Amino acid sequence: DADVTQTPRNRITKTGKRIMLECSQTKGHDRMYWYRQDPGLGLQLIYYSFDVKDINKGEISDGYSVSRQAQAKFSLSLESAIPNQTALYFCATSATGDAGELFFGEGSRLTVL
Amino acid sequence: GQSLEQPSEVTAVEGAIVQINCTYQTSGFYGLSWYQQHDGGAPTFLSYNALDGLEETGRFSSFLSRSDSYGYLLLQELQMKDSASYFCAVRDRRNTPLVFGKGTRLSVIA
Repeated sequence: DADVTQTPRNRITKTGKRIMLECSQTKGHDRMYWYRQDPGLGLQLIYYSFDVKDINKGEISDGYSVSRQAQAKFSLSLESAIPNQTALYFCATSATGDAGELFFGEGSRLTVL
Repeated sequence: GQSLEQPSEVTAVEGAIVQINCTYQTSGFYGLSWYQQHDGGAPTFLSYNALDGLEETGRFSSFLSRSDSYGYLLLQELQMKDSASYFCAVRDRRNTPLVFGKGTRLSVIA
């Protein structure tokens, strides 16, 4: 089983719908992240959490919200999806003092029609 | 803010050596990382440099010059399976998240 699991892996939805992407990890890491990837734009940080009670906005948080339900779970929500949120979303984890090493999930491909 | 620059595409011949450069602008500096991503896959960690110099891991090496705000990833004995996108990433302080560059797509040709 993967150490960092994302669900769903693929989702097609319509404009205005609420969408939740879930991430769970078995690595025992305190730090979790949500990144968005668009072709040619690299990985852009949406939100991050360094422990269960810590939530921080990243560079592109508008239109998104997150919930850290437990050390192992970090979910990303789109309250009202719009077409320009069509992208590949990655959850990642790292240990405290991580020496630059993140562990990524397999990604969730979201299409908003 | 932080910004990173890396070439968008590089092509190299199987068996050859290729260098992928990364320059960065940050208010502070707390390490440069490199990641590999194959098409359809997740990014995977390759290397990390916090101090100046060269770090070697098998066929891959990574170099950092903090005074020049510059680093590179060196891939030797290129194989077809090295065709992928490569991302540099930095953080400007100890307890902050990584910021990624836009990536370099490496194509290895026969």
